[in-house]
Amino acid sequence: AQSVTQPDIHITVSEGASLELRCNYSYGATPYLFWYVQSPGQGLQLLLKYFSGDTLVQGIKGFEAEFKRSQSSFNLRKPSVHWSDAAEYFCAVAPTSGNTGKLIFGQGTTLQVKP
Amino acid sequence: EAGVAQSPRYKIIEKRQSVAFWCNPISGHATLYWYQQILGQGPKLLIQFQNNGVVDDSQLPKDRFSAERLKGVDSTLKIQPAKLEDSAVYLCASSLNSLASGEQYFGPGTRLTVT
Repeated sequence: AQSVTQPDIHITVSEGASLELRCNYSYGATPYLFWYVQSPGQGLQLLLKYFSGDTLVQGIKGFEAEFKRSQSSFNLRKPSVHWSDAAEYFCAVAPTSGNTGKLIFGQGTTLQVKP
Repeated sequence: EAGVAQSPRYKIIEKRQSVAFWCNPISGHATLYWYQQILGQGPKLLIQFQNNGVVDDSQLPKDRFSAERLKGVDSTLKIQPAKLEDSAVYLCASSLNSLASGEQYFGPGTRLTVT
């Protein structure tokens, strides 16, 4: 069955420090890959997406993610975290077979930023 | 451009009561999704509409949940009767098309508490 795993439920980093959030997926072929952010009381906002081509993708708010086929991973990174980045982050996949747009989400990683 | 609108934002009901949620997608978006997000988990797709037709409702508990999008624009999701385990945030999302590559825009969600 298709699944997405985010191994870290909660991460705390200091403001200005670098950040890496992990995401692994289980799927027969390479799916479309996404990272979303959810601030308290807000809907999910798309940070970035990978469909094909360059395995390092740039997103909004200074985020980037790297797709590694051999590891079935799509980790999210940011070189310097700001206090406003505190939120919940979700990795998601959209299976390419059927091409229906259905998103399968991981359980999320809560990011806390220390001053 | 107005985003995805949802109402109500919060709802508290007793078990066995019924409840309905409303969603108005972004103008021109043909595809509409309803997701259920239980506390501590990622969103799970309940139903996907393409215009006023159902694309995927495989994870909708049809004995108690129903959804409609009669005119291909706004949509309602109903639960009757509600159970304690239905306590969750119900997210509506829309996209221009139903392709896996289509970006989904999320509303703020309706937080349902069943007591």
